[in-house]
Amino acid sequence: GAVVSQHPSWVICKSGTSVKIECRSLDFQATTMFWYRQFPKQSLMLMATSNEGSKATYEQGVEKDKFLINHASLTLSTLTVTSAHPEDSSFYICSVDGPQLGYGYTFGSGTRLTVV
Amino acid sequence: QKEVEQDPGPLSVPEGAIVSLNCTYSNSAFQYFMWYRQYSRKGPELLMYTYSSGNKEDGRFTAQVDKSSKYISLFIRDSQPSDSATYLCAAYGNKLVFGAGTILRVKS
Repeated sequence: GAVVSQHPSWVICKSGTSVKIECRSLDFQATTMFWYRQFPKQSLMLMATSNEGSKATYEQGVEKDKFLINHASLTLSTLTVTSAHPEDSSFYICSVDGPQLGYGYTFGSGTRLTVV
Repeated sequence: QKEVEQDPGPLSVPEGAIVSLNCTYSNSAFQYFMWYRQYSRKGPELLMYTYSSGNKEDGRFTAQVDKSSKYISLFIRDSQPSDSATYLCAAYGNKLVFGAGTILRVKS
């Protein structure tokens, strides 16, 4: 399977600031990456689909101006949480998919964001 | 109604027990079904995936899908304390949809 690196693993930021989270596919070129959010004791909710070289597709209810996604290369997608508020505190996880992965998506290790 | 329903548990079993984890789903378009294991504060790790109905076995793990009843199961034989984690079922039609996850605790 693929190897996905996510950075940072944990970040604390002040309310009103922006935070960038990186997701890297280390061993294959990912044309598509996915960003999920997971609240404590809840399941993963798909936020957006990141497509290399084009705009991301956001799920209903996710503010695209607040959660900026950039997929500038086949190995890197970034999620920027802009003007973060305490309610944005969550566990953010990326995953990758590619033809050779079929439907067994590989996930990054996640980023725990705490906004104070 | 959620597309994938899963009892969050927690489920507590003694070491060596057979564990049965289950999910139901409502969307008939789902074709691929997966089980992920997630340790605390980590990303999900794919355990098994199956296409359509049937069984799939990998070591101590067996996944079953019954599309007629829209039922997904994961069995863990000879459970170990290291199996203690949250187990997430997921289904794929045109996107991956997760269940809530079941917390499993295997006591030594």
